[in-house]
Amino acid sequence: EDQVTQSPEALRLQEGESSSLNCSYTVSGLRGLFWYRQDPGKGPEFLFTLYSAGEEKEKERLKATLTKKESFLHITAPKPEDSATYLCAVQAYRDSNYQLIWGAGTKLIIKP
Amino acid sequence: KAGVTQTPRYLIKTRGQQVTLSCSPISGHRSVSWYQQTPGQGLQFLFEYFSETQRNKGNFPGRFSGRQFSNSRSEMNVSTLELGDSALYLCASSPGQGARQPQHFGDGTRLSIL
Repeated sequence: EDQVTQSPEALRLQEGESSSLNCSYTVSGLRGLFWYRQDPGKGPEFLFTLYSAGEEKEKERLKATLTKKESFLHITAPKPEDSATYLCAVQAYRDSNYQLIWGAGTKLIIKP
Repeated sequence: KAGVTQTPRYLIKTRGQQVTLSCSPISGHRSVSWYQQTPGQGLQFLFEYFSETQRNKGNFPGRFSGRQFSNSRSEMNVSTLELGDSALYLCASSPGQGARQPQHFGDGTRLSIL
């Protein structure tokens, strides 16, 4: 069964303390993996797309990587404004169509 | 460039009523997808519309329906509302259907059922 699992559920860091969020997946025929950020009361905001193992994308303090079984979102020297829920989604082939399968998210809290 | 616009932002209804939510996609985007987001279930896919046709459907009862207009705007309708329908309903648009481009989300409609 297609599944996306994110860990940890929640992560509290001090400002400047680097860490990584994990997104592991079991899908057949991976076509793409997406990372989003969601602030309270807002819709998810697109961050990155990764298409193949070994691919990496960077944006400011964020770096996303992809292997055949999981993706990591590395956060370097985070600031309080990086606090949000980070969502991972995998595009999988299901019911004769491509659908996004979503993880439950990691709630990141950066303390000043 | 304007983002995805959803109206209304908040809605309160009672059990048994029906509701219609609206979504205007990013200009030039032809695919619109709808999601239900709850604390317990996370993001659940409802359906996707492209060129006024439903192309993809999630595992929701027939009380949930939608449509898309020729200008790509979309509406979602929920009939015979139940308490469990309380959720944030999100609309997302992308340039093409089932494509590998990322979806861009609106800020959602918060639906509360009393």
